[in-house]
Amino acid sequence: DVKVTQSSRYLVKRTGEKVFLECVQDMDHENMFWYRQDPGLGLRLIYFSYDVKMKEKGDIPEGYSVSREKKERFSLILESASTNQTSMYLCASSPPGTSGADTQYFGPGTRLTVL
Amino acid sequence: AQKVTQAQTEISVVEKEDVTLDCVYETRDTTYYLFWYKQPPSGELVFLIRRNSFDEQNEISGRYSWNFQKSTSSFNFTITASQVVDSAVYFCALVNYGQNFVFGPGTRLSVLP
Repeated sequence: DVKVTQSSRYLVKRTGEKVFLECVQDMDHENMFWYRQDPGLGLRLIYFSYDVKMKEKGDIPEGYSVSREKKERFSLILESASTNQTSMYLCASSPPGTSGADTQYFGPGTRLTVL
Repeated sequence: AQKVTQAQTEISVVEKEDVTLDCVYETRDTTYYLFWYKQPPSGELVFLIRRNSFDEQNEISGRYSWNFQKSTSSFNFTITASQVVDSAVYFCALVNYGQNFVFGPGTRLSVLP
């Protein structure tokens, strides 16, 4: 089974703090993604990566950065957390398929609260 | 632009009832894929089904079935004889070939004992 793990299930931080959310997958997937989930808005893509040291902006990258130093690990960084970044953050990975739409496998999510 | 609409924000049913979750999508591409995911209270999205735009056959998997109709741009999901364990948020998603996922807002299903 594909396993995607996230470092924390719940996190509480203060405004202005630097926040690291870690994601690790054990299936040797090339592709990794970070989403945030908010009520009524579904999942929105923040950043994604198709390879080590490679990153692409998603739909809502402002206020976030990412790091992919190793294939299995994809980190989301909030340089200076703000209250509007309070959300559920979901990491996903997918294999490098040829279909143009590979199934993504998700981690359990990190619920971040910024006070 | 691509868009996915799940008009039902919340649905409540009593156990053993059948329930249909609606999904309507918009895309100009002819090649695309549709997905359904389940998010139980634990938070992790669980993959349920993937269907490409050239395959309009309906699919059944146990108590789950999916009805794909290109004519109405819909990909509806039916749970037959619902159970309490089916309580979750369900997401429909659209992927145009080589592009990123576009998720609908989700439908929260509550199955009451």
